[in-house]
Amino acid sequence: EVQLVESGGGLVQPGRSLKLSCLASGFTFSNYGMNWIRQAPGKGLEWVASISSSSSYIYYADTVKGRFTISRDNAKNTLYLQMTSLRSEDTALYYCARGGTDYWGQGVMVTVSS
Amino acid sequence: DIVLTQAPLSVSVTPGESASISCRSSKSLLSSKGITSLYWYLQKPGKSPQLLIYRMSNLASGVPDRFSGSGSETDFTLKISKVETEDVGVYYCAQFLEYPFTFGSGTKLEIK
Repeated sequence: EVQLVESGGGLVQPGRSLKLSCLASGFTFSNYGMNWIRQAPGKGLEWVASISSSSSYIYYADTVKGRFTISRDNAKNTLYLQMTSLRSEDTALYYCARGGTDYWGQGVMVTVSS
Repeated sequence: DIVLTQAPLSVSVTPGESASISCRSSKSLLSSKGITSLYWYLQKPGKSPQLLIYRMSNLASGVPDRFSGSGSETDFTLKISKVETEDVGVYYCAQFLEYPFTFGSGTKLEIK
């Protein structure tokens, strides 16, 4: 069974950093590109970043470019999102999703507030 | 960026009836490989989004065949035939033709 389990969220002050993880199981992680997608409270879905299976290709939304870094460790079956210079507008539920977005995690909440 | 415009904002449906949701793209979603990169999702209350339709008209694994997708290069429709109470939630379209990937603003389906 495919599973994606996010962790690392929490309450953080503006300007601080946070690192999210997404542990994958039930499929060959190294064969798939991965995505981070977020949803602000009561709002719609916003794509954040994508990474190819071997990390050769990485893309970011303009809203996070230069502040967020997506990475992966195929040996650990884990996807990461390093978030720096956090802003209140980054407050959201962050989902990791497998390449074709056929599987999503349950999401992890990030709240940026003083 | 490609803008996806969904309509209506919300729809109320009697169980057993059909519902249609529209998604219009600001740019053709037909790739040079002949693939139309338009996807549909359902987000049930309190749950993660689930994939319903990929590449405009392909039913995702485990999705009932009451759901169907169709369209052209810029205009797309999700049809739900014989709506059931479990179909309640917010429906989103999304494009994966080019970065940045973008989503429609969502259509809320309610049961009468």
